[in-house]
Amino acid sequence: AQSVTQPDIHITVSEGASLELRCNYSYGATPYLFWYVQSPGQGLQLLLKYFSGDTLVQGIKGFEAEFKRSQSSFNLRKPSVHWSDAAEYFCAVYKAAGNKLTFGGGTRVLVKP
Amino acid sequence: GAGVSQTPSNKVTEKGKYVELRCDPISGHTALYWYRQSLGQGPEFLIYFQGTGAADDSGLPNDRFFAVRPEGSVSTLKIQRTERGDSAVYLCASSQGLGADTQYFGPGTRLTVL
Repeated sequence: AQSVTQPDIHITVSEGASLELRCNYSYGATPYLFWYVQSPGQGLQLLLKYFSGDTLVQGIKGFEAEFKRSQSSFNLRKPSVHWSDAAEYFCAVYKAAGNKLTFGGGTRVLVKP
Repeated sequence: GAGVSQTPSNKVTEKGKYVELRCDPISGHTALYWYRQSLGQGPEFLIYFQGTGAADDSGLPNDRFFAVRPEGSVSTLKIQRTERGDSAVYLCASSQGLGADTQYFGPGTRLTVL
């Protein structure tokens, strides 16, 4: 069975500070991994995805994520957050056999001025 | 349209009633997915369509839930005899094909069962 764990339910960060959101997955094969962001009243927007190759993936809005197979992790980072980054972030793993995404519980990010 | 659209954006109903939730996928996308997001949780898979057929409905919680996509485009999620526990945001997504193609999500329908 596959699962995705996001250990941090809430994170508060000051504007301009760095941000790191943790994601751990449990999956037997090479995973396809995604990070989505959900702003209030809006749908999920894809930030970035990892399929293979370079383990450091660049995404939109200045985000990046690093795949670490040895730690079963796919943490999301941003060097300097903006107030508009306040949202909920979801990590997901794609399972080829079922053609579906399995999401973590999400991390809500609050940005202090 | 430019993105996935869902109607209505909000639906309030009474316990025991029947509801239909509609999803218009991105034009040309062959795969369509339904997810349910309960308060404070991540989305959970319900069902996906490849074309007109439901390729995997293993996420539907019980037989009160049913979804159709008769012409391979618009899809309707139908819930019979609604229960308070059905209250959630129902998300629709579409992708160009199968595999790990990016799924593009709609804004969701917030269903409240009183």
